[in-house]
Order: sequence, then structure tokens, then C-alpha cells
Amino acid sequence: DQQVKQNSPSLSVQEGRISILNCDYTNSMFDYFLWYKKYPAEGPTFLISISSIKDKNEDGRFTVFLNKSAKHLSLHIVPSQPGDSAVYFCAATVDRRGGSEKLVFGKGTKLTVNP
Amino acid sequence: DTEVTQTPKHLVMGMTNKKSLKCEQHMGHRAMYWYKQKAKKPPELMFVYSYEKLSINESVPSRFSPECPNSSLLNLHLHALQPEDSALYLCASSRRQESYEQYFGPGTRLTVT
Repeated sequence: DQQVKQNSPSLSVQEGRISILNCDYTNSMFDYFLWYKKYPAEGPTFLISISSIKDKNEDGRFTVFLNKSAKHLSLHIVPSQPGDSAVYFCAATVDRRGGSEKLVFGKGTKLTVNP
Repeated sequence: DTEVTQTPKHLVMGMTNKKSLKCEQHMGHRAMYWYKQKAKKPPELMFVYSYEKLSINESVPSRFSPECPNSSLLNLHLHALQPEDSALYLCASSRRQESYEQYFGPGTRLTVT
């Protein structure tokens, strides 16, 4: 049973426009969320994260929004650039300080930004 | 240096072979991870080492044997693998196990024939 779901396998946007990538989760224990970007032949690269005590976190062109009641988060990229074309993974974990935890990944969304 | 390196990049092995995957980081991170990723699937955690001790084994078959010789190195020893073990094997590290931002290497593409 997939606990982290990215229902759109792919997304195509024009350069300069907004890209919105969505992620849903089912485990209500998750309280920390991350987005990773992956280029072909490279490992995933950490992009941005958000704790469940917040509903928004912004870093330059990237903003992550969290809606806990809907168990939904989204990544906004504004403005989108061709170099943003990659596979984006959503990941979630339980914040257990002093304990062990693991990242649970979604299947990824392939973003293509067209010039 | 924010890099995690993995060798080899590609590996083809028979089902009776013994081989090892290597991972190295020099960021002073004290947690290191092995993930397995099949095509069009998310990375799946296999093992976690925290302060050079195995802290999580996600019920991985014994034909996969991890080893952490020191805080910078992580190995994955492979023996008697099956064709279904063919996948991308990713290594990652983080400052400590409770630090969620993990830095990934480029992976080793393993094919078992």
C-alpha cells in the first residue's frame, strides 16, 4: 500500500510559467515532508522540506505548501526554467527525535519545461 | 565537498558471483543508507547505518550484506543474487540519523544475469 502518492506521472509546462507538482499521503503519523529532484544518471538531490508545524516554506523559486487536513502537499516552481526538467520525488517521514525513521518516497513526477 | 560517490557505475554479474558496491562521503555525516530503486518505482530503503552501527534492516534477504568499515565508507556485498535483484542501488548520507535531508550518490546500475 503506497503511503505517499504522486498521481501525475508527468507534467509539461512552458518556460516562465508556474509548475505545480502534487503529492498526497495516507499515513497521518507523517510530520515531515521533503521534495527531491532527480536528473537521469544522477542520484536524487534534496530540494526543499517542510515540517507539519508549518503550512508553507519558500526557498527562491521553490515553495512547498502543506495541507494537513487534506493530507496533501504541493511544490510550486515559479518561474519554471528548462533546467528544472527532471523527475521530482515527494518523501515523508515521522519526526521521532532520538529514534530511527526512514523516508518513504512517492513514485515521482517527470517535469518537462519547454523553452 | 557535498558529494557522495559510488563505484562502480555499472555492474553485470552472474547469479553465482560475489561482488561489492562501494559508497564514500567526506561530509562528516554519521548516518549512511542503502536504497534499491527499480524502474518507474520510488527508492526503497534497505539498510541504515548510524554512527557505523547497523540500525535499520528492512527485512532484506541475506544475499545482500552491508558493511560500514568507517564513518566515510559504506559497502554492500552481493552474493548469489537473482535476476529480480537487478536495479539501481543508491547510497545516501545525512548528518545524523535524525536529520532528514539525505544526500544521494549517483547510484550503481546492477544487472544480474
